[in-house]
Amino acid sequence: KAGVTQTPRYLIKTRGQQVTLSCSPISGHRSVSWYQQTPGQGLQFLFEYFSETQRNKGNFPGRFSGRQFSNSRSEMNVSTLELGDSALYLCASSPPWGGGDTQYFGPGTRLTVL
Amino acid sequence: DQQVKQNSPSLSVQEGRISILNCDYTNSMFDYFLWYKKYPAEGPTFLISISSIKDKNEDGRFTVFLNKSAKHLSLHIVPSQPGDSAVYFCAASAKMHGSSNTGKLIFGQGTTLQVKP
Repeated sequence: KAGVTQTPRYLIKTRGQQVTLSCSPISGHRSVSWYQQTPGQGLQFLFEYFSETQRNKGNFPGRFSGRQFSNSRSEMNVSTLELGDSALYLCASSPPWGGGDTQYFGPGTRLTVL
Repeated sequence: DQQVKQNSPSLSVQEGRISILNCDYTNSMFDYFLWYKKYPAEGPTFLISISSIKDKNEDGRFTVFLNKSAKHLSLHIVPSQPGDSAVYFCAASAKMHGSSNTGKLIFGQGTTLQVKP
């Protein structure tokens, strides 16, 4: 089974621009979560989608948004980029059965804001 | 407010010996705990998990212990191998509305493990 895929792997943008990152979960997984990793803050939860609905949201400004499509693929968007948005953005998917929250991560998208 | 803490930023062990990585948490609502291994510029790789109804889970060289009263978990790697050298993160999640977990993992800051040949 293919793992979680993320595109693009690397991205360079300038302040004020917007960016869209894409995530394809493991086949059959319906939950997709997004995280931001920075050296100072570590791994922080952005939001989670299940069946095209946002079920949970972290403490990030409204410039960070996401969506999920009917095939469970997900996108996240960051508008009006700031230097501090430079980070590794990770998405993870979870199997549809209950009993835990084991998440399987993709390789990440490295975003650099200049 | 850091709900999951890994107080040791780094750990160095000799090949063949035991590696013990520790993690403490503060939120008593956490009921599922996981360990991930991560290399730079890659996504975390799931290693092992444990539910709060258990106190031990084993998978090959990896064993996770949970002490709920102390709000402490540990990962034991026996025997340690040079390929185990990486950053290890513990993570926790809490149930929402009594059903499946929320899709939100809270991560510790990570411990860098170096296994010397």
